[in-house]
Amino acid sequence: GEDVEQSLFLSVREGDSSVINCTYTDSSSTYLYWYKQEPGAGLQLLTYIFSNMDMKQDQRLTVLLNKKDKHLSLRIADTQTGDSAIYFCAESMDYKLSFGAGTTVTVRA
Amino acid sequence: KAGVTQTPRYLIKTRGQQVTLSCSPISGHRSVSWYQQTPGQGLQFLFEYFSETQRNKGNFPGRFSGRQFSNSRSEMNVSTLELGDSALYLCATRQGQGNQETQYFGPGTRLLVL
Repeated sequence: GEDVEQSLFLSVREGDSSVINCTYTDSSSTYLYWYKQEPGAGLQLLTYIFSNMDMKQDQRLTVLLNKKDKHLSLRIADTQTGDSAIYFCAESMDYKLSFGAGTTVTVRA
Repeated sequence: KAGVTQTPRYLIKTRGQQVTLSCSPISGHRSVSWYQQTPGQGLQFLFEYFSETQRNKGNFPGRFSGRQFSNSRSEMNVSTLELGDSALYLCATRQGQGNQETQYFGPGTRLLVL
């Protein structure tokens, strides 16, 4: 089965790095995703990582995957006020995405 | 390319009524999935269609149904609405049939049941 867990809240100072953590239980997942949701909006794909990778970097975003511990993290460098949102990690299995509850990131000046 | 479009964006219904939501995928995308988002349950998978065939279905009652047309547009229907059906309904599309392909989401339809 699948069960994705995330911490619910993160507060970070503008300019600092944010790290959002996620754990999943289905070891057969081949792709893991990070989505961003701003108030009143749908989900925006931020990045994804294939399960045979340990790390993926995309501009300010770094994804780390520890497949042994089933742990996924998203690091946002130089966090800006526009990064305030809810971040969801998700795993893909059987043509569907299973999401965590979402981490609300608040960026303070 | 235009993104995923969903209509209507907002909807108010009363208990017992039925509702139909529409999703138009990105051009060339043949897979359409539907998700329900509520504060209490988070994001939950409803169903997925590819080439007019339902390939997977989430754990929702039979009041929730969907279909996909030959042009890949999809509709979902909820009959006999309940207060708990109030939610943001999101549609996601992807190009092919592979499990690994990235899904792109529309802005959602916000349904309020009174």
